[in-house]
Amino acid sequence: GNSVTQMEGPVTLSEEAFLTINCTYTATGYPSLFWYVQYPGEGLQLLLKATKADDKGSNKGFEATYRKETTSFHLEKGSVQVSDSAVYFCALSEGGYQKVTFGIGTKLQVIP
Amino acid sequence: NAGVTQTPKFQVLKTGQSMTLQCAQDMNHEYMSWYRQDPGMGLRLIHYSVGAGITDQGEVPNGYNVSRSTTEDFPLRLLSAAPSQTSVYFCASGGIMNTEAFFGQGTRLTVV
Repeated sequence: GNSVTQMEGPVTLSEEAFLTINCTYTATGYPSLFWYVQYPGEGLQLLLKATKADDKGSNKGFEATYRKETTSFHLEKGSVQVSDSAVYFCALSEGGYQKVTFGIGTKLQVIP
Repeated sequence: NAGVTQTPKFQVLKTGQSMTLQCAQDMNHEYMSWYRQDPGMGLRLIHYSVGAGITDQGEVPNGYNVSRSTTEDFPLRLLSAAPSQTSVYFCASGGIMNTEAFFGQGTRLTVV
């Protein structure tokens, strides 16, 4: 079956530091890949997505590139802010958005 | 825009009690899903639906029932609550033409 692997964290960074959260996946076909973000006490929001190999998703300074050869979708941001503190979920979907497979989520803490 | 609405936000149940978690969406989405979120486990799919009258099991369906009598509503029923069902529950919806799943704010359930 499908699976997504990411580190749980927490990841603690100082403001303006560079962020990388690794994500690798296993899928039987050609999935769409997502990063969702969950702020404290809230539901999940889509941060960015990529639907085919070599696509780059970007939003709010975050980027991730769909790498089929390494089955990866690592999340990066050049300069994090305190407001980026949240839990980040890597996810994939095959064949429809009624079934999304999530990683365990990585908690990011950004300190001033 | 209401989006996906879940009620209640918080609930405490005694072992053996039953209850229904409500989920409604106003986006005319075909797909609706229920997930549970547990520490170290990410989000796991409980049940999903691809349209009114059609439901199917996800990864962790035991102890939960669903029905989809209308496009808008997708309630999740716990027939006899157990402490292992203590979790945060998220409802999500998505349309065939959409490129993401939209999440509700979550229901935090504690079974004592």
